[in-house]
Amino acid sequence: DVKVTQSSRYLVKRTGEKVFLECVQDMDHENMFWYRQDPGLGLRLIYFSYDVKMKEKGDIPEGYSVSREKKERFSLILESASTNQTSMYLCASSLSPQLYNEQFFGPGTRLTVL
Amino acid sequence: KQEVTQIPAALSVPEGENLVLNCSFTDSAIYNLQWFRQDPGKGLTSLLLIQSSQREQTSGRLNASLDKSSGRSTLYIAASQPGDSATYLCLFYAGGTSYGKLTFGQGTILTVHP
Repeated sequence: DVKVTQSSRYLVKRTGEKVFLECVQDMDHENMFWYRQDPGLGLRLIYFSYDVKMKEKGDIPEGYSVSREKKERFSLILESASTNQTSMYLCASSLSPQLYNEQFFGPGTRLTVL
Repeated sequence: KQEVTQIPAALSVPEGENLVLNCSFTDSAIYNLQWFRQDPGKGLTSLLLIQSSQREQTSGRLNASLDKSSGRSTLYIAASQPGDSATYLCLFYAGGTSYGKLTFGQGTILTVHP
C-alpha cells in the first residue's frame, strides 16, 4: 500500500514565523502535491512537483514556497505565517510524470496561525 | 477553468439504502476522474479511478460510472452502512501536464443513520 505521511497532525504557530510542513511518500512516486482545504472553498492546489528539484505553481502559491531535494520528500514552506494561512494542509503523491495517475493523500496537517 | 459540481451537497439516508452521488463537469475532454472519501479531520482516501476509456469501475459495494457525453460521473453505493458516513469528493483531470487541468468538486456530505 502507498503510504504518504505528514510530519504533524496539528501545528500552532505565531504570525510572522517561518513554518515547514513535511511530506514523505514511500512508493517512489514521481509527482507530489500540496493542497489546502478550507470550508466553502474546497481543495485548492498550492504547488506540485513532478521530479526532484522541479516545481510548478498551483492555484494559490502566494505566501508559500516548496522544496524537493529528494524524490520521497516534498516540503511546504510558509515564509512568514499569517492568520489567513490557518487551514488544513494536505499532501498527495501519484506515480508517473503524467498527472493522470491515481492520487494518494496523507492524513493532513491542521495549521493554526495566531 | 473547468467547473466540477457535486450534487447533492448533503444526503441523509437510513442504513441499507442504495444511493447515488453525482459529479458533473463542463469539459468533455476528460482524461480521468477519481472518487475519494474523507472522514472529518482526516486526509482523503482513494475509492475508485475511472480512465476516460472506461465506462465504470467497481470495488466491493461501490460502483463508479463515467459518461463523457453528458459530462457526468456517478458513484453508486449499495446497501449503505453507518460506516459509509463521510464526505465524498470527485477529482477531475483533463489531461496534459498542466496543473490547471486538476479540479476538485465541493463534495457531498453523506450521513447513514442506523
